[in-house]
Amino acid sequence: AQKVTQAQTEISVVEKEDVTLDCVYETRDTTYYLFWYKQPPSGELVFLIRRNSFDEQNEISGRYSWNFQKSTSSFNFTITASQVVDSAVYFCALSEARNTGTASKLTFGTGTRLQVTL
Amino acid sequence: EAQVTQNPRYLITVTGKKLTVTCSQNMNHEYMSWYRQDPGLGLRQIYYSMNVEVTDKGDVPEGYKVSRKEKRNFPLILESPSPNQTSLYFCASRRAGGHGYTFGSGTRLTVV
Repeated sequence: AQKVTQAQTEISVVEKEDVTLDCVYETRDTTYYLFWYKQPPSGELVFLIRRNSFDEQNEISGRYSWNFQKSTSSFNFTITASQVVDSAVYFCALSEARNTGTASKLTFGTGTRLQVTL
Repeated sequence: EAQVTQNPRYLITVTGKKLTVTCSQNMNHEYMSWYRQDPGLGLRQIYYSMNVEVTDKGDVPEGYKVSRKEKRNFPLILESPSPNQTSLYFCASRRAGGHGYTFGSGTRLTVV
């Protein structure tokens, strides 16, 4: 069975600080996908990134960066120079690569609430 | 615009009154799924469908029904809602063989 753990329930930072959100996953599959979603106060889910298990390169997109380490089963998300607009709940999720039945579902972590204040 | 449309966005109902939350996608996706989001629990899958007339239970199916008579629609039915079904619900779709999920905007349901 797959599992995603986001141990940080809530994080508070002051604007311009860097912040890292942790994500640890478990799966028996060798091929899988990892995701990060942002949920602002309005409630919708905003897709941030998808990463294939074969691609361990770190990714940077503006102030966002992701560190994927297969050896520790982690897919951590860092926001550099945080801003108030980054305040949201962030979810890490896992999907197995087999496109059949229950393997197709997304398994979500419990989310990390990030509060960025002035 | 490619999207998943859920209706209604907000719903307050009373215990036992049957309701349907609609979900429609315009991307010709084969796979559709329903999730519920609860504080401290993240999102959990309720039901999914691999294609027309093919549905199966997810992790928390009790108290829910679904149908997939057309490829674009995947309604979630609560025959007799109870207060423990108060939650935020999301519909999602994906094409067969793909790994990118498109989510609807969510339906916030309150059962009193």
